[in-house]
Amino acid sequence: DTAVSQTPKYLVTQMGNDKSIKCEQNLGHDTMYWYKQDSKKFLKIMFSYNNKELIINETVPNRFSPKSPDKAHLNLHINSLELGDSAVYFCASSTPLAGGGELFFGEGSRLTVL
Amino acid sequence: AQSVTQPDIHITVSEGASLELRCNYSYGATPYLFWYVQSPGQGLQLLLKYFSGDTLVQGIKGFEAEFKRSQSSFNLRKPSVHWSDAAEYFCAYGSSNTGKLIFGQGTTLQVKP
Repeated sequence: DTAVSQTPKYLVTQMGNDKSIKCEQNLGHDTMYWYKQDSKKFLKIMFSYNNKELIINETVPNRFSPKSPDKAHLNLHINSLELGDSAVYFCASSTPLAGGGELFFGEGSRLTVL
Repeated sequence: AQSVTQPDIHITVSEGASLELRCNYSYGATPYLFWYVQSPGQGLQLLLKYFSGDTLVQGIKGFEAEFKRSQSSFNLRKPSVHWSDAAEYFCAYGSSNTGKLIFGQGTTLQVKP
């Protein structure tokens, strides 16, 4: 039973299109995240939600819009895709780090913009 | 600026040899520190974490890491590497306020037979 699942695993699309990536966690965590891993494998946080409320927005272009319909789901919608958006996007969830928590990651969604 | 540094981009070791991957951080407060491993095409899996207490922490797959405040380091070690350990390793600093993890650049481990 997958703890953090993302769909789709692969996305290939043209510049200018709009696409969405969905994420679901069945761990009962309150906090969820989106991370972007670039071609050099560098991981950078994009957004974090706690119980459906946005708590971190790391100056990501407003073409990226996260949505959390409930605390088990965090989706990422990207408008007007650009070449530089090509990356692997990871969803994660966690319990509070102060309580000894950790992040659990999905397997990633590889987005290729042509 | 806050940062996590992994000085070694790529490391190659022979199977059965010992391993140490370096990690340095630049934060003042007591850090929450993590090591994650990423196999090709996979997500990140937690190897171990440090919050407080004993500075030598044990993780999965025979890994351990030692927190040294005086050196701002949290190096990962394994006494005998297996071919299946070949992967990308990430050190990360965690913010207790936001839950945000800041990752190092990663170290690619190659294991020679």
